[in-house]
Amino acid sequence: GENVEQHPSTLSVQEGDSAVIKCTYSDSASNYFPWYKQELGKRPQLIIDIRSNVGEKKDQRIAVTLNKTAKHFSLHITETQPEDSAVYFCAAYTGGGNKLTFGTGTQLKVEL
Amino acid sequence: SAVISQKPSRDICQRGTSLTIQCQVDSQVTMMFWYRQQPGQSLTLIATANQGSEATYESGFVIDKFPISRPNLTFSTLTVSNMSPEDSSIYLCSVVASSGVMNEQFFGPGTRLTVL
Repeated sequence: GENVEQHPSTLSVQEGDSAVIKCTYSDSASNYFPWYKQELGKRPQLIIDIRSNVGEKKDQRIAVTLNKTAKHFSLHITETQPEDSAVYFCAAYTGGGNKLTFGTGTQLKVEL
Repeated sequence: SAVISQKPSRDICQRGTSLTIQCQVDSQVTMMFWYRQQPGQSLTLIATANQGSEATYESGFVIDKFPISRPNLTFSTLTVSNMSPEDSSIYLCSVVASSGVMNEQFFGPGTRLTVL
């Protein structure tokens, strides 16, 4: 089955800096890669996603890149703000398994 | 995106008892899933709730422990049976909307379960 690894487990940045979170996946058949943000005590929220026919996708301060050959994808947050502080999860979707496999999560802390 | 509600939002239960969690969606959905999130951990898929047939369980989860119902396209229940303290966790319902973008999956608010 699919295995998703996520790094780093914790990330601390200064407000205004950029943050990068990286994930690798094992199943070459995976074709959809969402990112979720989970604030303390809240549900995971879908913030951006990318499909296997696209190399990069951007939405304001958030971007995701995908390297199918290397089987890794990354989340980039620019001009970080304190409200970006949360746990971020990557995931990979395999059509054959018809389900999402999640990474282990990254605790992002944006310091003033 | 679909509006997803879960009941109860939290509960404290005694070991050996069972708790049924409800998930209600405001529109028809193609897929419904149940996840467990243990404190400080990632999300682990328990099962896919299939409408009109038995749920599909992931490795490590069995029907006797986590019976699931899905009587229609907007509602599902997860029962945590014969609970032990190890079952203390957040249980989340998740859906893929029928009318939404393919594969986009959204989560309910979760049920925080504490087993004493």
